[in-house]
Amino acid sequence: LAKTTQPISMDSYEGQEVNITCSHNNIATNDYITWYQQFPSQGPRFIIQGYKTKVTNEVASLFIPADRKSSTLSLPRVSLSDTAVYYCLVARMDSSYKLIFGSGTRLLVRP
Amino acid sequence: GAVVSQHPSRVICKSGTSVKIECRSLDFQATTMFWYRQFPKQSLMLMATSNEGSKATYEQGVEKDKFLINHASLTLSTLTVTSAHPEDSSFYICSARVGGLSPLHFGNGTRLTVT
Repeated sequence: LAKTTQPISMDSYEGQEVNITCSHNNIATNDYITWYQQFPSQGPRFIIQGYKTKVTNEVASLFIPADRKSSTLSLPRVSLSDTAVYYCLVARMDSSYKLIFGSGTRLLVRP
Repeated sequence: GAVVSQHPSRVICKSGTSVKIECRSLDFQATTMFWYRQFPKQSLMLMATSNEGSKATYEQGVEKDKFLINHASLTLSTLTVTSAHPEDSSFYICSARVGGLSPLHFGNGTRLTVT
């Protein structure tokens, strides 16, 4: 499984766009990139998943360059409620699927 | 869709007793479920992969005789912490997925406190 590296923490202010970059240099051909959000004392919540280029949903965008060795989660106009830990994960979408969590990025949104 | 329900949300037990945690996929069938534990201020650690109808696969360092996993149906997996000790106090989280390209969905976790 490809190891992921992301910043330990980030600070932002309400209304700003936040971009969290994750590196996964050893990503394999069959691997997908997935991002989760976790609040204290809750299970992680799925945010977005992608394989290449750009994926967008109602809460975030995911940018993946052509070499797929990194990815960037973009949160538009964050609010205080976006303060959480964000995890970038890489997983193979086959029978060997499992998610191994790294340290995550602790995002603090200030008023 | 893809809701995973976990019960109980919190439990306190005495040292030496056993505790069972249930994980249900409410609106989908899950041939595979995963169990994690999380200590305060730390990331999630994968404990085991639960396969319906077969034995669970445990990660290195996880005692299979202490953390019994049963995946008896396509919608239910249970984790039993046997002879619990204070060091087993942790946040236990289960997860499941439909398969294919679907992501993993997590339950809301169980806070276990062993006194």
